[in-house]
Amino acid sequence: RKEVEQDPGPFNVPEGATVAFNCTYSNSASQSFFWYRQDCRKEPKLLMSVYSSGNEDGRFTAQLNRASQYISLLIRDSKLSDSATYLCVVKGSTDSWGKLQFGAGTQVVVTP
Amino acid sequence: DAGITQSPRYKITETGRQVTLMCHQTWSHSYMFWYRQDLGHGLRLIYYSAAADITDKGEVPDGYVVSRSKTENFPLTLESATRSQTSVYFCASSEVIRDSSGNTIYFGEGSWLTVV
Repeated sequence: RKEVEQDPGPFNVPEGATVAFNCTYSNSASQSFFWYRQDCRKEPKLLMSVYSSGNEDGRFTAQLNRASQYISLLIRDSKLSDSATYLCVVKGSTDSWGKLQFGAGTQVVVTP
Repeated sequence: DAGITQSPRYKITETGRQVTLMCHQTWSHSYMFWYRQDLGHGLRLIYYSAAADITDKGEVPDGYVVSRSKTENFPLTLESATRSQTSVYFCASSEVIRDSSGNTIYFGEGSWLTVV
């Protein structure tokens, strides 16, 4: 079983709609969580960190559910420019960036 | 602000040849990383370095060698390239030395390597 799993999608979303997707992780001791965005043939870029209480950044809302071991990302009022692959990133219990685990990504396609 | 740069961006090489992918960062970040990304897999860590002259294996280190004689450079060498090493390679860096939710890893633009 992979340590971090994501629905690969694609999630086809009409412009202006809301889309949400989850990422599950297997290590209950994981401490830090992130969402990265990756455009086709580009490098991943940090979208947002995920805090225990949940957090928003504009149209993006991230949630953490430790009991069920998943994080979620919700995109409101989707824009064409939101089309990308969203990578879930989980950091383990040790204070080492060598323990980052990346999901394979969820593809989102926003259509006009 | 050059940030983190990789070279070459695209490379085709033959099986058995030695290939070196270069990574240079201008931020003086302590941590540097090499990942590979293949279809169906997430980013997989090859090697990382916490500081100059300190390197450690990641998830998939076999067939790769790294060095870090200077903080800003972290080259990755494929000693004898194999077809299974055809991949996109991302170098990354981070200034993180503590467990803080505000930390960020910055990625280079990637090096597309094809081994024929």
